[in-house]
Amino acid sequence: SQTIHQWPATLVQPVGSPLSLECTVEGTSNPNLYWYRQAAGRGLQLLFYSVGIGQISSEVPQNLSASRPQDRQFILSSKKLLLSDSGFYLCAWSPGLMREKLFFGSGTQLSVL
Amino acid sequence: AQTVTQSQPEMSVQEAETVTLSCTYDTSESDYYLFWYKQPPSRQMILVIRQEAYKQQNATENRFSVNFQKAAKSFSLKISDSQLGDAAMYFCAYRSARSGGSNYKLTFGKGTLLTVNP
Repeated sequence: SQTIHQWPATLVQPVGSPLSLECTVEGTSNPNLYWYRQAAGRGLQLLFYSVGIGQISSEVPQNLSASRPQDRQFILSSKKLLLSDSGFYLCAWSPGLMREKLFFGSGTQLSVL
Repeated sequence: AQTVTQSQPEMSVQEAETVTLSCTYDTSESDYYLFWYKQPPSRQMILVIRQEAYKQQNATENRFSVNFQKAAKSFSLKISDSQLGDAAMYFCAYRSARSGGSNYKLTFGKGTLLTVNP
């Protein structure tokens, strides 16, 4: 069966420090991969999605970037964190042929202080 | 651009009773998917139910069912025989049926926090 791993679960970082959140999917190949952010009291906002290795699409301009170095690995990064980057980050994947089904990781709570 | 609106920030229900959560959406497309996701205190997002717009029959999953009104662009979730474990934030979401580009993304509403009272 397919599983998605996301880490770390919690992260506290100072303003101006770098960020790297990692997500991996097991048990499938060529998934679509997504990074969503959930701000406090709000819904989910899509940040990035990827349909293949090295293919990244950004939904909103921001201080973050994403990379997909391997088929089942998706990384969210920042060179210098801002206070506004705080939030709950969720990685998700969908099967290549059934893209309407989206499965989420357990999330990372990022606090930028 | 598509938008999803959940007009009820919070709802409560007594255990074993029925509750309906509302969702409306705006789109110019004729084919799409609609979803309800549940986010319990663990914050794990769990797919509850899915509806394909081209299907007239309302989707059901055990105690969960939807009332899909395509003309009205309404997609409500009914939870029957509510249980304590149903307490969570519920998100309505929309996805285009088209392939390619940003059509892959889900557009979420802001959520409804459901409390189940014993």
